[in-house]
Amino acid sequence: DQQVKQNSPSLSVQEGRISILNCDYTNSMFDYFLWYKKYPAEGPTFLISISSIKDKNEDGRFTVFLNKSAKHLSLHIVPSQPGDSAVYFCAASVGDKIIFGKGTRLHILP
Amino acid sequence: DTGVSQDPRHKITKRGQNVTFRCDPISEHNRLYWYRQTLGQGPEFLTYFQNEAQLEKSRLLSDRFSAERPKGSFSTLEIQRTEQGDSAMYLCASSLRTGRAAGELFFGEGSRLTVL
Repeated sequence: DQQVKQNSPSLSVQEGRISILNCDYTNSMFDYFLWYKKYPAEGPTFLISISSIKDKNEDGRFTVFLNKSAKHLSLHIVPSQPGDSAVYFCAASVGDKIIFGKGTRLHILP
Repeated sequence: DTGVSQDPRHKITKRGQNVTFRCDPISEHNRLYWYRQTLGQGPEFLTYFQNEAQLEKSRLLSDRFSAERPKGSFSTLEIQRTEQGDSAMYLCASSLRTGRAAGELFFGEGSRLTVL
């Protein structure tokens, strides 16, 4: 039972353009949503989060949007840079437990 | 380096052997999590501790798996009688959180297990 779904295994974006990564969830009890970034041979690192009571959170080039009625969130990266090439995991928490999606591999093209 | 550290980084073992992984969290963090990640999947929750108390275990954690966090500091994850299906990256993470929400997790680099 995949409660957090990332339906795009990979995404390629031109350097300088906007990258949009999508995530859907099924559990309406989730109260906090997070995005993690992972480089090869490293553990995931926290990127940005949003509480379920908000619909947008921005941190520099990264913005997360939450649409609770659609049970959908997205991560926007603008402008995309070569160092953004990584696997991005969407995650959601209910209480103390954090559940991750399968990830989307982002390739930033020169 | 004051991040989360895991040891060993890579373990190769024969089926049926026991293995133990160690995780040292960030020192002031009261919560410690174990996740497992296989190829093409995201991290799957296994168990977590608040201080020394193990508060939740996933159904993924069979009887062959046991985790401890004595004195609320480092943690160990032991797998007995390993099977080839146990081959995965075992990730440890810690967080400092009060109240209900899990908050931001800080991950170690993982311990990769290969069972032959």
